[in-house]
Order: sequence, then C-alpha cells, then structure tokens
Amino acid sequence: AQSVTQLGSHVSVSEGALVLLRCNYSSSVPPYLFWYVQYPNQGLQLLLKYTSAATLVKGINGFEAEFKKSETSFHLTKPSAHMSDAAEYFCAVRGYNQGGKLIFGQGTELSVKP
Amino acid sequence: ETGVTQTPRHLVMGMTNKKSLKCEQHLGHNAMYWYKQSAKKPLELMFVYSLEERVENNSVPSRFSPECPNSSHLFLHLHTLQPEDSALYLCASSPGDRGQVEQYFGPGTRLTVT
Repeated sequence: AQSVTQLGSHVSVSEGALVLLRCNYSSSVPPYLFWYVQYPNQGLQLLLKYTSAATLVKGINGFEAEFKKSETSFHLTKPSAHMSDAAEYFCAVRGYNQGGKLIFGQGTELSVKP
Repeated sequence: ETGVTQTPRHLVMGMTNKKSLKCEQHLGHNAMYWYKQSAKKPLELMFVYSLEERVENNSVPSRFSPECPNSSHLFLHLHTLQPEDSALYLCASSPGDRGQVEQYFGPGTRLTVT
C-alpha cells in the first residue's frame, strides 16, 4: 500500500526566500511521484512528476523536486519565492503499473510575505 | 474549450433534491476520475472509469451514482445527500489508468448541502 506524508500543513516564507515543501512517501513498489498546486477556487495543476528517470525533476514556475530513495522523500523546492506562489501544494504517489489511484498527501498551504 | 471543464461551478441543494455534476474533457483521454476534497482532509478518490467502464469504486455511498456515457463525459448523480457531503468535487482525466501518466484536473464543483 502507498501513503504520502507532507510535513507541515502551513509554510510561510518571505518573498525572495527559499521555498522547501516536504513530502515523504511509502510504497512497496517503485513509485511514480507528483507535485500538484491548487490556487484558490481552482482545480489541481501538475507542477512536476518523477517517473524513474532523472532523480532531480524540474517543473513549471521554477519549481524542482529531488527523489531520494534512501530517504523515501520527494521534497519540492524553489530558490526564490514569488507572491504568486501562494497556494496549496499536494504531493501524490502511485505504484508502478498500478491502476489509476493517486494517493495524495494532506496538502501544505504556502504563504508568501512581502 | 480546452482541458477539463466542470459544471456547475457552485451548487446548493437540499437533502431531498436530486442534482447532477457534469465533467467534460477535451484532451482525448481514456480514463476519468471523481475526487472529493473536504476541508482539512486529503483528496479522496471516489470513482475511476477507463474506456467508459468503472474500474474502481472506493466504497462510496449509493447516494452518489456515477455515469460515463463516453470517454469524454462523466457525470455524478446526487440524491438524498447529507450535510457532510458538502465539499469540492473534482473531476480529472488521464490518457490511461496505468503507467506513468499524470491526471489533469477540472476546476471543481463547490457543493453545499443544506
């Protein structure tokens, strides 16, 4: 069975500061991992995905994430936060060659202070 | 119209009403999904359809009834709902229901049950 834990339901950073959103997963099979972003009153938008190729994955809007098997982590980072990054971020996992079920974390709300 | 669309965007209904949520994807995908997003809870997968056949039903109460008439359309029929069913209902689609494919989400329908 797969599961995802996002550490911190709320993260606050200053504009221009590093963004680090933590995600740890549990999977009995090689995982596919995803980060989604949700802006207010909108659906989820894919930021990036890990599919067993390069361990450092670059996504949209300057975000990237690194897959670390030894730590079962897939943390999301951005070197310099922008006000427009304020949103809720979800980490998700699904098993290799398993059905359509994405397992989501609880979400982390990112606030960006001017 | 592009991507995944959902109508209505907002819905208020009484516990004795019958209503339907509609989802349409314009991406040529073969799999479609219904998720429930409640405050302070992870996203819950409700139903998965692949090539118009239901492949997963996550123990959802029978007051929620999905319908997938073709690969582009997905409905969620609602009847005799409870106040705890108030949530954001998200539809998603993907090229298939297996492999490294990501899901694309619609903007959601905000449902309030009074």
